[in-house]
Formats: sequence, C-alpha cells, structure tokens
Amino acid sequence: QVQLVESGGGLVKPGGSLRLSCAASGFIFSDYYMSWIRQAPGKGLEWVSYISQSGVAIYSSDSLRGRFTISRDNAKNSLYLQMNGLRAEDTAVYFCGRWNEGLDVWGQGTTVTVSS
Amino acid sequence: EIVLTQSPGTLSLSPGERATLSCRASQSVSSNYLAWYQQKLGQAPRLLIYRASIRATGIPDRFSGSGSGTDFTLTISGLEADDFAVYYCQQYSPWTFGQGTKVEIK
Repeated sequence: QVQLVESGGGLVKPGGSLRLSCAASGFIFSDYYMSWIRQAPGKGLEWVSYISQSGVAIYSSDSLRGRFTISRDNAKNSLYLQMNGLRAEDTAVYFCGRWNEGLDVWGQGTTVTVSS
Repeated sequence: EIVLTQSPGTLSLSPGERATLSCRASQSVSSNYLAWYQQKLGQAPRLLIYRASIRATGIPDRFSGSGSGTDFTLTISGLEADDFAVYYCQQYSPWTFGQGTKVEIK
C-alpha cells in the first residue's frame, strides 16, 4: 500500500544537526513532488520545504532557508531533510508528505527535540 | 506571503449539526489553489478538499468546500462523531497554512 515512513528524529542540543529520512513505498516516488511539514507541540502545521520530482526545483520557507535543506534520492525512494543550527523553536513533529495538488499521503511523523 | 486566517478558533457543535469553517486570505489565492485538511489528536493530517472545492479520494460527500479569491469555506453537513477534530486550510501558491479551527463536541 501507499506509505511514507519517517525516521531520524531524536534529541539534539542547540546548534546541533540532524538528518531526517522519509522512505516511500507503494507508488512511483519519482512521479511526485515531496514535502516536509512540521508541527510544534500544541501548535498548527508549518510548511518547511518541498522538492520537485527530479530535485531540480526546491522551495523552502523563508524563515528556515539556509539552515534546512531538502533533497531526494529517487533510486532509493527516499526524501531527506538536513537540519543544521538547530534551535529550541525547531522542536516539533516532522512529517513528510506526497504532493498531488494537496498533500494526499502523509507519514506518521518523527519527533525532533532540541534541548540542552 | 499570503496569510490565511481561520475562524472561528473553536466551534462547539452537537452531532448532526452543520459546521461552517472559514478561511480568509490576505490576498487573492490564484486559481483557487486552496486545500483543507482534517487532523485528529496524535495523527497525521488527512486531505479533504483541494482546488477549493474538489473532494479528495474517499472523502464523504458531507464535506464540501467553496469560495474563491480571498474567502473560502469548509462545510460539514451533519457532523458525525468521527468529524470532531482540527481543520486546517492551506494555500499553495506558494504554500502557507492557516492556524486551524477546532471542532469540538458541545
């Protein structure tokens, strides 16, 4: 079945780095834009970044550009988010999503906690 | 950046009642590129509506979307127990989300 599974979250100190992964299955990964969205505890959804099918086109939230980088490996059916210079306010559940004029498939999320 | 403002923040209704959720954009949303999502506690969001009024696959017809330009509405006709959740609008030209409306049981 169509599925997205995130991994790579955890506890990291302020200023640290993490790389999140999202493994896709059940569909032709290279046919779709893919995205990362995050949700801080008790808060709403916040768009992080999205990437075109080939990876050539990348769009990122102005507030996160420069610290977070999205990428993909179509041969591995995987989406990634490299997060550098992490801050306490980056603490959130990070979801990957498939874009099909609307995010029609979501992963279950991976939790990132930034704390000393 | 287009800012989306959802209202009300919380909607208290009884099962069977009609829910009307509003999403207002700070500037016109091109081509009605607006989606609605439902999120239950501890779960990932679920796509309900895209292009302002098109139901996503498998979404019951009690969910309907309408609007254009800067004013959009999600209507749930006849709330069922499974519908009590938080609802978000999203515009995708480029992307932003509204802050959400919680539909709770009265």
